[in-house]
Amino acid sequence: DTGVSQNPRHKITKRGQNVTFRCDPISEHNRLYWYRQTLGQGPEFLTYFQNEAQLEKSRLLSDRFSAERPKGSFSTLEIQRTEQGDSAMYLCASSWDNTEAFFGQGTRLTVV
Amino acid sequence: AQSVTQPDIHITVSEGASLELRCNYSYGATPYLFWYVQSPGQGLQLLLKYFSGDTLVQGIKGFEAEFKRSQSSFNLRKPSVHWSDAAEYFCAVDSSYKLIFGSGTRLLVRP
Repeated sequence: DTGVSQNPRHKITKRGQNVTFRCDPISEHNRLYWYRQTLGQGPEFLTYFQNEAQLEKSRLLSDRFSAERPKGSFSTLEIQRTEQGDSAMYLCASSWDNTEAFFGQGTRLTVV
Repeated sequence: AQSVTQPDIHITVSEGASLELRCNYSYGATPYLFWYVQSPGQGLQLLLKYFSGDTLVQGIKGFEAEFKRSQSSFNLRKPSVHWSDAAEYFCAVDSSYKLIFGSGTRLLVRP
């Protein structure tokens, strides 16, 4: 197992475009989390899945953001009509129940 | 509301010197506490965790942390810093399955 994998590592997009990121968790992990990290700050929770069920969403997750985890395996995070304020590092993590979370290397989004 | 405070934005130490990074938390129940390290442009790597039991926990890379309930603190320590320890360090508390992070402390290591 190679750990949590995120693709792409970097994404540059024009304002108003849609983007989608993918996260492949550690295979036996049932929980998957998305966080956002802006420069000079700690990661902020966005949402989490237990298997395929999305159990919690932060108020940071506006209606332009949607996340899915079909079949409880990989997850996608889509941002529609991107804005410059969406520029950040998007981190995915996975865990088995309430044990420690393992993080991927993140996807850095730049909106120009 | 739960929160984590890391009062030091930057810390500079000389290689070989000891290190202590401060972390204070606000949480009503017994907290699950973590320290993560992040190198530039990378994800987060878990250094150590506290769930219960012994208040002094050992982690990877020679790091340790001490949980002090009376001070609501979970400070990270290392007796002798190596140049490769230069990175950003984040303290976090588990809050209903999600992590709440502090704003981080950037460690600079002088040769």
